Amino acid sequence: GESVGLHLPTLSVQEGDNSIINCAYSNSASDYFIWYKQESGKGPQFIIDIRSNMDKRQGQRVTVLLNKTVKHLSLQIAATQPGDSAVYFCAENIGDTGRRALTFGSGTRLQVQP
Amino acid sequence: DTEVTQTPKHLVMGMTNKKSLKCEQHMGHRAMYWYKQKAKKPPELMFVYSYEKLSINESVPSRFSPECPNSSLLNLHLHALQPEDSALYLCASSRVASGPETQYFGPGTRLLVL
Repeated sequence: GESVGLHLPTLSVQEGDNSIINCAYSNSASDYFIWYKQESGKGPQFIIDIRSNMDKRQGQRVTVLLNKTVKHLSLQIAATQPGDSAVYFCAENIGDTGRRALTFGSGTRLQVQP
Repeated sequence: DTEVTQTPKHLVMGMTNKKSLKCEQHMGHRAMYWYKQKAKKPPELMFVYSYEKLSINESVPSRFSPECPNSSLLNLHLHALQPEDSALYLCASSRVASGPETQYFGPGTRLLVL
């Protein structure tokens, strides 16, 4: 089946730099996307979401960009901090009636160097 | 409050044991989910409950038996598991199962089958 994938398995950045984590999706029926952060030994933590009728959404230090033309999603983290070190997953929610389950991408590990 | 709780945090069981995982949320959510996550992999959907009724079973073996006693509780009964079933089991909930809804995850139960 179609899936959500990530370009980079590991991203290493310096503290204070901006981070960009990318995600490609292939299901044109996807209408809702979520970024999750998962720290070691913990469950996924909601960061930010975006619906397919938007192309940008901003939160506190995070921005999600959606490019439906090329089916690409990105998460930008401003002024990356050591506490941002984690695995980041994008997830898509497909709009088929009665089947509202998340499909996760393979994940990107973000390592923040002090 | 977006808290989903899970017990136990860790579980070790033999292949002949019967055990149960528990999940609870008090957000008034009417959709609850079980996911399985192997090391360094994204979560994979197992079951979806919508208004206390099982709506999705992702072809999960019958040795995993879900139960939703009420709108706040979700159980996963385990029997005759195999070592390859060792994983992090995540519970999630969302307001409803239809429409673009954010899913909130619990911390997970780390299961080891010997």
